[in-house]
Amino acid sequence: DAGVIQSPRHEVTEMGQEVTLRCKPISGHDYLFWYRQTMMRGLELLIYFNNNVPIDDSGMPEDRFSAKMPNASFSTLKIQPSEPRDSAVYFCASSFSGLAEGTDTQYFGPGTRLTVL
Amino acid sequence: AQKVTQAQTEISVVEKEDVTLDCVYETRDTTYYLFWYKQPPSGELVFLIRRNSFDEQNEISGRYSWNFQKSTSSFNFTITASQVVDSAVYFCALSERNSGNTPLVFGKGTRLSVIA
Repeated sequence: DAGVIQSPRHEVTEMGQEVTLRCKPISGHDYLFWYRQTMMRGLELLIYFNNNVPIDDSGMPEDRFSAKMPNASFSTLKIQPSEPRDSAVYFCASSFSGLAEGTDTQYFGPGTRLTVL
Repeated sequence: AQKVTQAQTEISVVEKEDVTLDCVYETRDTTYYLFWYKQPPSGELVFLIRRNSFDEQNEISGRYSWNFQKSTSSFNFTITASQVVDSAVYFCALSERNSGNTPLVFGKGTRLSVIA
């Protein structure tokens, strides 16, 4: 089975440009999480969805960041306009809310390394 | 509020040595889950183990073992007979169980270097 898929794997852009990161969760998973990893702050949650509905977006740093999940198999994280401090690795993860023990384990995509010049 | 502390920032060992990575957590919930993830130099996050707060049994998987002690709020990870391929950053994480799945709160990670 395919794991979580993220694209692009690397993105280099200039300050002020719009950036869109994409994620395809594991088929059948109903939770999707976006995390950001930086040297200073480590791994931190940005936003998460359940059944395509945003549940908690309190981690989104500012209005420049937005996320959508139009269907169960696709989510985007958009930064507009991008700034150098947005440079980080962005991870998408998914999990399933089944009753069986352990189904809530989050599995991560390979990440998108974003560099804003 | 939840918090995970990994006091060891970096550890360096010689191949075949045993090494223990410490993890201390804080939560007010009685039901929670603890995790360890591995981040090798290639950058992905690889799931290693999940532990339910009601299950304090230690677990062993090959050269890996985990010691969960609620009394000290610790969930330590031991690698026996370390190998160069174990070199990575290891993250301990915590999640609560409310009415659904909840996000992970991560520690800062411990960078393990295994020297041949």
